[in-house]
Amino acid sequence: DGGITQSPKYLFRKEGQNVTLSCEQNLNHDAMYWYRQDPGQGLRLIYYSQIVNDFQKGDIAEGYSVSREKKESFPLTVTSAQKNPTAFYLCASSTTGENSPLHFGNGTRLTVT
Amino acid sequence: GNSVTQMEGPVTLSEEAFLTINCTYTATGYPSLFWYVQYPGEGLQLLLKATKADDKGSNKGFEATYRKETTSFHLEKGSVQVSDSAVYFCLYNQGGKLIFGQGTELSVKP
Repeated sequence: DGGITQSPKYLFRKEGQNVTLSCEQNLNHDAMYWYRQDPGQGLRLIYYSQIVNDFQKGDIAEGYSVSREKKESFPLTVTSAQKNPTAFYLCASSTTGENSPLHFGNGTRLTVT
Repeated sequence: GNSVTQMEGPVTLSEEAFLTINCTYTATGYPSLFWYVQYPGEGLQLLLKATKADDKGSNKGFEATYRKETTSFHLEKGSVQVSDSAVYFCLYNQGGKLIFGQGTELSVKP
């Protein structure tokens, strides 16, 4: 079955360490997205990519980095520069075009202590 | 600027009650509109969509009609179940620009 896989589901890190969250899709989608969700809050866009080897900052890109070396993969690195990294991170993908819905992974809950 | 506004939650209903979750948007053109549902600890799932004015999206007993005149896309269900307890998000897509509403938490009591 096609879909988006985020791993791991839960991730724990010590403050000051970088951590990379995985996102893989086999839907053949060109566009991929990373969102952050805090408790009781909506989604905030971190980064997005509409094509391989290209990506753009979203609304809250500071302290994060991404790469898009393959169409299927869009890993997100949470760096030590991110002041409040503990959150639920959601990856999504879509075909291009405004009628295209987003397909989401099941998320990674990152806890930094 | 463009925006999506949802009614604030939490919304608490008894089983079999009628549900309405309001969503209005501001836009310069005619975006595509979507409703997503998020169950606890999970990602978002597409619930329904509408791509042009007067379209009605429907799925699992939920419905929403794209109303251009009121720039609205309200989510409705005639009889909610406990299993409908989740957070619901309205999403707008115009030319690839995606804007989410802030989400509305629904709690259905037996």
